[in-house]
Amino acid sequence: AQRVTQPEKLLSVFKGAPVELKCNYSYSGSPELFWYVQYSRQRLQLLLRHISRESIKGFTADLNKGETSFHLKKPFAQEEDSAMYYCALSNNAGNMLTFGGGTRLMVKP
Amino acid sequence: GAGVSQSPSNKVTEKGKDVELRCDPISGHTALYWYRQRLGQGLEFLIYFQGNSAPDKSGLPSDRFSAERTGESVSTLTIQRTQQEDSAVYLCASSFLPSGAPIQETQYFGPGTRLLVL
Repeated sequence: AQRVTQPEKLLSVFKGAPVELKCNYSYSGSPELFWYVQYSRQRLQLLLRHISRESIKGFTADLNKGETSFHLKKPFAQEEDSAMYYCALSNNAGNMLTFGGGTRLMVKP
Repeated sequence: GAGVSQSPSNKVTEKGKDVELRCDPISGHTALYWYRQRLGQGLEFLIYFQGNSAPDKSGLPSDRFSAERTGESVSTLTIQRTQQEDSAVYLCASSFLPSGAPIQETQYFGPGTRLLVL
């Protein structure tokens, strides 16, 4: 069975501080991992995926297979980063995403 | 272009009644997914449609839940004899997933239907 764990329900940081949202997964196959974000009053949308190895809005995430983690990082948080962040894992068939419970990021001025 | 749309946006019903939730995917998207999100929790996979293949119903929590999709267009999620624990936001997503594609394509989500069972 596949599982995604986001240990922090709420993360509060000050503007300009570094931020790391933790995500750990459990999966027997080759994982494909994603971060989705939901800003206030907006729909859930893709932020980034590990196979793209890109930085979106200053966020990066590295897949660490040894630690089964896919933590989301940003060196300098901005107030507009405040949102709900969900880590998600795709199964090998590519037909199902398993989501973590989400972390609410609050960036204070 | 238009994104995924869902209707109604909110639904209040009485315990024991049936409800139908509708999802209009992005035109041309072959795959359609339904998820449930209970208050304070993550998204829970319910069902997946891909083209004309048999749907993956492995996430449906009980036989009171069913879903249909007409070709590669509209889908309807039906909950029969609703219970209070069915109260949640029901999210629909679609993606362009060609048959045999080895990787998961980006899922585009609708705004959700907030269901409240009294």
